[in-house]
Amino acid sequence: QVQLEESGPGLVKPSETLSLSCSVSGGSISNFYWNWIRQSSGKGLEWIGYIYYTGSTVYNPSLESRVTMSIDTSSNQFSLKLASVTAADTAVYYCVRANFDTNYRYYGMDVWGQGTTVTVSS
Amino acid sequence: EIVLTQSPGTLSLSPGERATLSCRASESVNSAYLAWYQQKPGQAPMLLIYDASTRAPGIPDRFRGSGSETEFSLTITRLEPEDFALYFCQQYDTMYTFGQGTRLEMK
Repeated sequence: QVQLEESGPGLVKPSETLSLSCSVSGGSISNFYWNWIRQSSGKGLEWIGYIYYTGSTVYNPSLESRVTMSIDTSSNQFSLKLASVTAADTAVYYCVRANFDTNYRYYGMDVWGQGTTVTVSS
Repeated sequence: EIVLTQSPGTLSLSPGERATLSCRASESVNSAYLAWYQQKPGQAPMLLIYDASTRAPGIPDRFRGSGSETEFSLTITRLEPEDFALYFCQQYDTMYTFGQGTRLEMK
């Protein structure tokens, strides 16, 4: 079965760039939408954006100016960069698969990583 | 952005009882893009329902989703001890949004 695993620094300084990666194992990265979602006590679950296996991206408008996502299909990994972080970016970050078929029927966000805690602090 | 409002914030019930969780949207949602998730402490959310009413693989039939347009609900017909958790609704149109969650606690 498909598994996702986030990796990256757990502590980032204010104004710096948060960088996380997600490794996809047990299945192909192709033909799916790969998302980043974060969860903080103050804002619940917040969708950051997605990258399709082709490399096309859609970001949450509230974060769009600071977000960059990339994908490496050869290594079954995708990544998130969030620039100019502040304490408000402290959260648990999840990488998540969204499942659509070729007719764009939605089968939900059916695979989640275990999450990685990122704290923004000097 | 479509805002999802879940109610109640906390629901206190006993095992064996029926739970009804509500999710109200600020504008009409295509039910094909409405999902429900369960989250237990220290774990990632888990998909329960997609397409507003279709159970994800392996989800027991005591979990039932329903609704359309701006009113959706998740019903758990007979609560089991493992059902006490946090529940979120989610929609997708041009972007994904989540409700703030309903905490189902054991009375």
